Amino acid sequence: DIQMTQSPSSLSASIGDRVTITCRASQTMRTYLNWYQQKPGKAPELLIYAASNLQNGVPSRFSGSGSGTDFTLTISSLQPEDFATYYCQQSYSLPYTFGQGTSVEIK
Amino acid sequence: QVQLQESGPGLVKPSQTLSLTCTVSGGSISRVGYYWSWIRQPPGKGLEWIGYISYSGGTSYNPSLKNRVAISADTSKNQFSLSLTSVTAADTAVYYCARVVSTYSSTWLDFWGHGTLVPVSS
Repeated sequence: DIQMTQSPSSLSASIGDRVTITCRASQTMRTYLNWYQQKPGKAPELLIYAASNLQNGVPSRFSGSGSGTDFTLTISSLQPEDFATYYCQQSYSLPYTFGQGTSVEIK
Repeated sequence: QVQLQESGPGLVKPSQTLSLTCTVSGGSISRVGYYWSWIRQPPGKGLEWIGYISYSGGTSYNPSLKNRVAISADTSKNQFSLSLTSVTAADTAVYYCARVVSTYSSTWLDFWGHGTLVPVSS
């Protein structure tokens, strides 16, 4: 299985901050990497697919980059509704696997 | 807009079989290029992919669940189902169904159900 490691596991940030979350894969996987946002008690929602493509309806302050083994999710200016847990997920090989999650909290 | 809704018993006893159904609206589960997946999340923990069934009926499962899992589809009702046998407390989780988009260049889960909590307890 491909192991996905996110860092940090949690972070505290203020409204308007630029936030960066990284995801590292245990083996190369081109751009088969997706990012999801999950709020408490809710299902995950797709933010970014294929490493850098913004899902329809997702605000442009979210962006993704990377290929191979190292990927990044960036929130350019953190908004109140962005406080949530973020997961990366690889779809390069079965079984699909997720990172352990990054909790973004209010400072 | 595709919508998915999980349904099934709210409680399962240890050693019994967990059975859930996902009803899909707004799109056919037989449409080429889409797969239909189950994912679970134990309380307070991360996400685990369980498996999927393709638009043509082919399946793939997470080896971590060994031979306990099966996913089937009823195209006449536009539903797909999960069966997990010999459950233990470790199978207590919120179970989500989701649509998988598969293209020539990548694959992702774009629409998710709200999820249903299934406790395993006697």
